[in-house]
Amino acid sequence: GESVGLHLPTLSVQEGDNSIINCAYSNSASDYFIWYKQESGKGPQFIIDIRSNMDKRQGQRVTVLLNKTVKHLSLQIAATQPGDSAVYFCAENNYGQNFVFGPGTRLSVLP
Amino acid sequence: DAGITQSPRHKVTETGTPVTLRCHQTENHRYMYWYRQDPGHGLRLIHYSYGVKDTDKGEVSDGYSVSRSKTEDFLLTLESATSSQTSVYFCAIRQETYEQYFGPGTRLTVT
Repeated sequence: GESVGLHLPTLSVQEGDNSIINCAYSNSASDYFIWYKQESGKGPQFIIDIRSNMDKRQGQRVTVLLNKTVKHLSLQIAATQPGDSAVYFCAENNYGQNFVFGPGTRLSVLP
Repeated sequence: DAGITQSPRHKVTETGTPVTLRCHQTENHRYMYWYRQDPGHGLRLIHYSYGVKDTDKGEVSDGYSVSRSKTEDFLLTLESATSSQTSVYFCAIRQETYEQYFGPGTRLTVT
């Protein structure tokens, strides 16, 4: 399938290890954030979201951390599996305005 | 997948021809979006709609028009396709609680 981004930063992790993907967002007034996963040739898939009144939110094998002081968002994936290989990107929203998307990080899971 | 379909999924067309892409949703969401995704740029907003017959421009709207005559359908038209409009196009819906979900995408090639 077509590459989502030819020159994206890449994170390579061993299968079974934990992954941490980072995102710096731009607007200090943003109050809602989403992490997406995009596999080659597919549409972005909603993984997990967090609102600005929270610092941490957990899902199944994923955790999102929000640091509003430095405008930083991270996605932690526990026990990374081959099926986690994809491009991950964050999106920020300011009180219902249009989303702004990060450029993404390519996660490569090594056997 | 929030009941979003896009058609066609792939299209090759010649420069100067008109092209219409269709986005269909089954869950009666008020907000619908058209994005394009290109390597090195991430997702960029073309047009969006906040209700039937209510649309507005995004950051890359030149050369595109949209129509929304029914809640479930959002059409994107390239009046006269150019090679710079070769891209992958994604439709998305946004729920009232801000969660945004994407369709599977349409790959358009303008020769």
